[in-house]
Amino acid sequence: ILNVEQSPQSLHVQEGDSTNFTCSFPSSNFYALHWYRWETAKSPEALFVMTLNGDEKKKGRISATLNTKEGYSYLYIKGSQPEDSATYLCAFGGAQKLVFGQGTRLTINP
Amino acid sequence: DAGVTQSPTHLIKTRGQQVTLRCSPKSGHDTVSWYQQALGQGPQFIFQYYEEEERQRGNFPDRFSGHQFPNYSSELNVNALLLGDSALYLCASSLVGHQNILNTEAFFGQGTRLTVV
Repeated sequence: ILNVEQSPQSLHVQEGDSTNFTCSFPSSNFYALHWYRWETAKSPEALFVMTLNGDEKKKGRISATLNTKEGYSYLYIKGSQPEDSATYLCAFGGAQKLVFGQGTRLTINP
Repeated sequence: DAGVTQSPTHLIKTRGQQVTLRCSPKSGHDTVSWYQQALGQGPQFIFQYYEEEERQRGNFPDRFSGHQFPNYSSELNVNALLLGDSALYLCASSLVGHQNILNTEAFFGQGTRLTVV
């Protein structure tokens, strides 16, 4: 059974501070690692799809790194803003079948 | 582009009843997957439909069934509802086709909140 774990489960960050959180996944039979941002009452929004070991992707103030050999990915948010408040989900696998972590709930305090 | 749309947004059903949830995929997408998100958990894969057939299935009982129509839209049916079926049901679409590309992006709808009482 594939197990994807995210930590921490929740995080409170002061506006303007930078933060990061972790996704751990099986290091064998790696397919792809997906990051989603999910705001309340909205659809999960795809941030990144990462496939290569050592890959680093960036979208504005958000970036992610991938280590497939040790089975982890980090998501970084630089200079947090109130609109960054959301649940961040990582998922292992292909678009056909994603195995999700429980998510990290991020709250930005003004 | 309308994106992935799901209906209804909320639903209340009685234990033992049957329910049908609907999903229209993003324009151009041919594959639809369904996920269940129970409170405090990440979404869990139920099954995936491509070319009107179930292609993969997660660890869910046969009470959960689905269908995909020629226009790629999909339905999720749950029979003999249990209290534990109360959850947010998410639909995701992607363009996968024959190539089985594993790094294809999946686009999600807003979900249907099902409450079983």
